[in-house]
Amino acid sequence: NAGVTQTPKFRVLKTGQSMTLLCAQDMNHEYMYWYRQDPGMGLRLIHYSVGEGTTAKGEVPDGYNVSRLKKQNFLLGLESAAPSQTSVYFCASSQGRYTFGSGTRLTVV
Amino acid sequence: KNEVEQSPQNLTAQEGEFITINCSYSVGISALHWLQQHPGGGIVSLFMLSSGKKKHGRLIATINIQEKHSSLHITASHPRDSAVYICAVRVSQGAQKLVFGQGTRLTINP
Repeated sequence: NAGVTQTPKFRVLKTGQSMTLLCAQDMNHEYMYWYRQDPGMGLRLIHYSVGEGTTAKGEVPDGYNVSRLKKQNFLLGLESAAPSQTSVYFCASSQGRYTFGSGTRLTVV
Repeated sequence: KNEVEQSPQNLTAQEGEFITINCSYSVGISALHWLQQHPGGGIVSLFMLSSGKKKHGRLIATINIQEKHSSLHITASHPRDSAVYICAVRVSQGAQKLVFGQGTRLTINP
């Protein structure tokens, strides 16, 4: 099925560990986004990309890095996880309307 | 003040009732989106509007650009409509990014 696929769906990390969240889309969209969703805060933009090879900072970029080496993939990296990064992470792509992934629930202990 | 304000924040209704969720924004926009998120679930795009009105099944979305206001209506509401509904606007200046409202939590009781 066409859409946005996020992996993994769940992860528990220890403080200081690193990980990469993968987002893949098969709709040939130019724009891709990483958001985090926290209770009472709504969705906040971490980083985004307007095309292959480009990335830009959103509202809350600190502690995260991203790469868009291929148009269909947008990777979100946490180099040294902190408890404040416990959240649900959503990837989205758009070419007009937005398509969201199913989310990654990350807990940092 | 948030750039996108939704009301009400919480809404509980009985099955079959007509539901209205409102969204007001204070910035110039190129499009407005209505999104739906079920508890513990992913986010689904319901509508993208730049003018007028759109209908999909029992859902109707309207936008008034001059008044900077949009409404989402649900006719003949059903318990499966229980979800958080999120209004988001794409600002007309700058990169294609969304500004989100805080969401409206809708509960439909049988």
